[in-house]
Amino acid sequence: AQKVTQAQTEISVVEKEDVTLDCVYETRDTTYYLFWYKQPPSGELVFLIRRNSFDEQNEISGRYSWNFQKSTSSFNFTITASQVVDSAVYFCALRLYNFNKFYFGSGTKLNVKP
Amino acid sequence: ETGVTQTPRHLVMGMTNKKSLKCEQHLGHNAMYWYKQSAKKPLELMFVYNFKEQTENNSVPSRFSPECPNSSHLFLHLHTLQPEDSALYLCASSQDLKRGNDEQYFGPGTRLTVT
Repeated sequence: AQKVTQAQTEISVVEKEDVTLDCVYETRDTTYYLFWYKQPPSGELVFLIRRNSFDEQNEISGRYSWNFQKSTSSFNFTITASQVVDSAVYFCALRLYNFNKFYFGSGTKLNVKP
Repeated sequence: ETGVTQTPRHLVMGMTNKKSLKCEQHLGHNAMYWYKQSAKKPLELMFVYNFKEQTENNSVPSRFSPECPNSSHLFLHLHTLQPEDSALYLCASSQDLKRGNDEQYFGPGTRLTVT
């Protein structure tokens, strides 16, 4: 069975702190895709990044970075020098190759205080 | 025009009412999705359409009835709902269902309250 676990329900940090959002996934498939989405208070989820199971290279985009480790089935997301605008709910998602199914975690609510 | 629009944004309905949620995407995508988002639960995929054909129905109760007249429009018809159906209903689209690494574009959702 497939599953995505985001164990951190809610995190609060003060502006300029670094914060890491954890994502652990379960699948027996060898080909799959992982995604991170951001859901601001306005409601719509916004795509941040995708990774396929054959690409374990970590990625940095500005203040955002992602650490994909197949050995621990984790795809963690770090925000460096957090800002108030980063406050949102962040979702990790898994999609299997050739299946029309998407598995989302329950989300981590990030509160960045000034 | 924003990519994916949903109307209405808020809906309150009684258990005996019939209502419809509408989703429209202006991105030229071929796949569209309905999700249910309940508090502190993972997003639940309800229905998937690709080129107007339904490809997935995740054991959704028949009181939810989807309709996809073309690749740009998706409806969710609601009737005799239960209070536990109160949630945020999100519509999404992606370029092509066969491309597994395609990201999804989401609408702002319809906040549904069943009284």
